Amino acid sequence: DAGVIQSPRHEVTEMGQEVTLRCKPISGHDYLFWYRQTMMRGLELLIYFNNNVPIDDSGMPEDRFSAKMPNASFSTLKIQPSEPRDSAVYFCASQEGAYTEAFFGQGTRLTVV
Amino acid sequence: EDKVVQSPLSLVVHEGDTVTLNCSYEVTNFRSLLWYKQEKKAPTFLFMLTSSGIEKKSGRLSSILDKKELSSILNITATQTGDSAIYLCAVTRFSGGGADGLTFGKGTHLIIQP
Repeated sequence: DAGVIQSPRHEVTEMGQEVTLRCKPISGHDYLFWYRQTMMRGLELLIYFNNNVPIDDSGMPEDRFSAKMPNASFSTLKIQPSEPRDSAVYFCASQEGAYTEAFFGQGTRLTVV
Repeated sequence: EDKVVQSPLSLVVHEGDTVTLNCSYEVTNFRSLLWYKQEKKAPTFLFMLTSSGIEKKSGRLSSILDKKELSSILNITATQTGDSAIYLCAVTRFSGGGADGLTFGKGTHLIIQP
């Protein structure tokens, strides 16, 4: 398996624009997680899905952030409108079962100017 | 709120040295503690420690969970320059029978000098 695949790898956008980050989890994994990493706050959980259903979105910072998982092989994280403070590396991770380790994608480095 | 504290925040040693990285946690309904290695890209999994598996070893790396002290250590012996990375500690908790997300510490930035 190719692992967790994220796109794009880098995104530079202007404040106010909509940004969509994409993730393809490892096939057969039941759980999908979105994390954000910054120097100040480290790695933080934003939202996670179990069998395509959102379970906990309490980490989503604001209503500007939304995530979907329309099927088992694809998820998106959308920011609309984007702000400079959203600049961070966004990681997607997937996990086979409830008690197994999570595998991370390579991340999307987002810069909002 | 769950909390994970790692120490030291950064560490510089010479190749061949042995290092010990520390992680302490406060979490409701603790389930597991995980160690990840992060070089320039994605965190990669090292170990998972639970009540039924409090000690793990792989090559030069080993880790122990102390449930009484709510802490864990990660040991690396005979360090190599390729061990230079950020080492992340994370915890999970039992949550309604299913998985829960990871709560991470800030990491220890380890630099191995040749």
